[in-house]
Amino acid sequence: EAEVAQSPRYKITEKSQAVAFWCDPISGHATLYWYRQILGQGPELLVQFQDESVVDDSQLPKDRFSAERLKGVDSTLKIQPAELGDSAMYLCASTRKQDSPLHFGNGTRLTVT
Amino acid sequence: GENVEQHPSTLSVQEGDSAVIKCTYSDSASNYFPWYKQELGKGPQLIIDIRSNVGEKKDQRIAVTLNKTAKHFSLHITETQPEDSAVYFCAASANTGFQKLVFGTGTRLLVSP
Repeated sequence: EAEVAQSPRYKITEKSQAVAFWCDPISGHATLYWYRQILGQGPELLVQFQDESVVDDSQLPKDRFSAERLKGVDSTLKIQPAELGDSAMYLCASTRKQDSPLHFGNGTRLTVT
Repeated sequence: GENVEQHPSTLSVQEGDSAVIKCTYSDSASNYFPWYKQELGKGPQLIIDIRSNVGEKKDQRIAVTLNKTAKHFSLHITETQPEDSAVYFCAASANTGFQKLVFGTGTRLLVSP
């Protein structure tokens, strides 16, 4: 079964440094989501793409976070500068159609020291 | 916006017993309610979902019920097994073209042999 690929699996960085996460959705999935999951909580939506276009980034802290999906396939989420409160699991998900169930990757666990 | 509450936060059962997890939501426009299972170090995996035109849905040992009037939905797991031990999340979405899932805070289920 096809999976959403994410890398790296783990990332440790010092505060004020830049960090980036990569996501490759399931082939053919036009809609891509980035979620943040703080330990002990449910995932929260950061940004949603339809092909290469941002559909919803209302929850993305745009002063330090950016996301792109230049060719409408894989996507990168960047944090600059990282803060201690950014420590969390960053999950990518994709769907084939707008109303299809979300398929999640295994995430990138970020620790900011 | 949508708010999803989930109870209990932890649930311990003996193997073979049934487990029930309950969620309430606030937005009457929500019409899609998935349940995800998350194992340690992995991303959430969809186990069952229900749409607002259906009151109950079953898949082997798992069932979900929906009461739109009361704005609550529940996950029922029968004949629990140790491998059912995980964190379970409910979510709700008002599908206005694109899904925007709002997750509950999770229930840690422990099934003892």
